[in-house]
Amino acid sequence: GENVEQHPSTLSVQEGDSAVIKCTYSDSASNYFPWYKQELGKRPQLIIDIRSNVGEKKDQRIAVTLNKTAKHFSLHITETQPEDSAVYFCAASMTGNQFYFGTGTSLTVIP
Amino acid sequence: DSGVTQTPKHLITATGQRVTLRCSPRSGDLSVYWYQQSLDQGLQFLIQYYNGEERAKGNILERFSAQQFPDLHSELNLSSLELGDSALYFCASSGSGVGNQPQHFGDGTRLSIL
Repeated sequence: GENVEQHPSTLSVQEGDSAVIKCTYSDSASNYFPWYKQELGKRPQLIIDIRSNVGEKKDQRIAVTLNKTAKHFSLHITETQPEDSAVYFCAASMTGNQFYFGTGTSLTVIP
Repeated sequence: DSGVTQTPKHLITATGQRVTLRCSPRSGDLSVYWYQQSLDQGLQFLIQYYNGEERAKGNILERFSAQQFPDLHSELNLSSLELGDSALYFCASSGSGVGNQPQHFGDGTRLSIL
């Protein structure tokens, strides 16, 4: 089955700096890649997603890039703010029947 | 509010017992997914249902079972509970089992085994 690896496991940045989280996947058939943000004790919330026919997608301060050849995709957060502090999960799916999640990145934005 | 409703929010029980977790998907969503999240752990996929039928199965223990009813709500049954079953259980729903649709998560049920 699919295997999704996520790095780094923890990340600390100064407020205003950029943060980048990278995920790699193993199955080239995967074609949908969502990112979720989870605050402590709360539900994961979808923040951005990308499909395999697109190389990059942006939504305000958040962007996701996909490299199908290398089988990796990355989350980019610019101008980080303290409220961006959370755990971020990447995921990959090929049919929508099963989503394979990364192990999460704990992001801390230092004011 | 994601539109996905999970009950109860908290559940405290003892080892050996059986519990049922309930999930109502967003209006119009046909797929329901169940996940287990242990302390400081990632999301472990358990099982998916689409329009009443099981579609995919992950690392779900034999002591656990689930079903999706005609009104599309789903229940996750956990039996012979062990201390290690203490976790946050999330339900998510999406629009369709065909192709890829974003999942929307409920607020979870926190299960504590004493």
